[in-house]
Amino acid sequence: EIVMTQSPATLSVSPGERATLSCRSSQNIRSNFAWYQQKPGQAPRLLIYGASTRATGVPARFSGSGSGTDFTLTISSLQSEDFAVYYCQQYSDWPMYTFGQGTKLEI
Amino acid sequence: QVQLVESGGGVVQPGRSLRLSCEGSGFTFSTYGMHWVRQAPGKGLEWVALMTYDGGFEHYADSVKGRFTISRDNSKNTVYLQMNSLRVEDTAVYYCAKDQWSGSYYPFDHWGQGILVTVSS
Repeated sequence: EIVMTQSPATLSVSPGERATLSCRSSQNIRSNFAWYQQKPGQAPRLLIYGASTRATGVPARFSGSGSGTDFTLTISSLQSEDFAVYYCQQYSDWPMYTFGQGTKLEI
Repeated sequence: QVQLVESGGGVVQPGRSLRLSCEGSGFTFSTYGMHWVRQAPGKGLEWVALMTYDGGFEHYADSVKGRFTISRDNSKNTVYLQMNSLRVEDTAVYYCAKDQWSGSYYPFDHWGQGILVTVSS
């Protein structure tokens, strides 16, 4: 099983600042990688797929990078609505999918 | 617009069964793989099960293999999760989700609102 490890567990950032979230895979997953955002009481929302492509409707302040085993989500200038939990996911090991444990982005 | 609506959750005793349903609309249901993902209270996301677009292939997380069964009825645009021999640790919000595109190796681009399953005596 591919294990996804996110860091940090909690990230405290002020509005307007940049946030950088990391995710590491235990095996090479090429670019078969996604980021999701989840707000309290809501379903996850796909933000980034293919490691670096923004999903439909995702603001340009969100960007993804990386390939292989190390991936990064950057939010360039945090807005109040960006404070949420972020999960990474690998879909390279089809039909097995795994998520990271999540990073809580807090004010 | 794409919608996924889960139903069938509730409170059930350990060892009993429950069946969840997820009805899709706003897309050609029969051409997409469908998944169930769960989230225990205060915890992260755990992928549970997959069924391919035509029902020809299914796969499960080890934690539910042999107890849960995924199925689909494309004539009703619905995917199901039959959960047997339920355990306290199966308590979670269960989400259905669809593949982003038809085929394999894609993330989940739409999710249902989630349905709570509580396993307790």
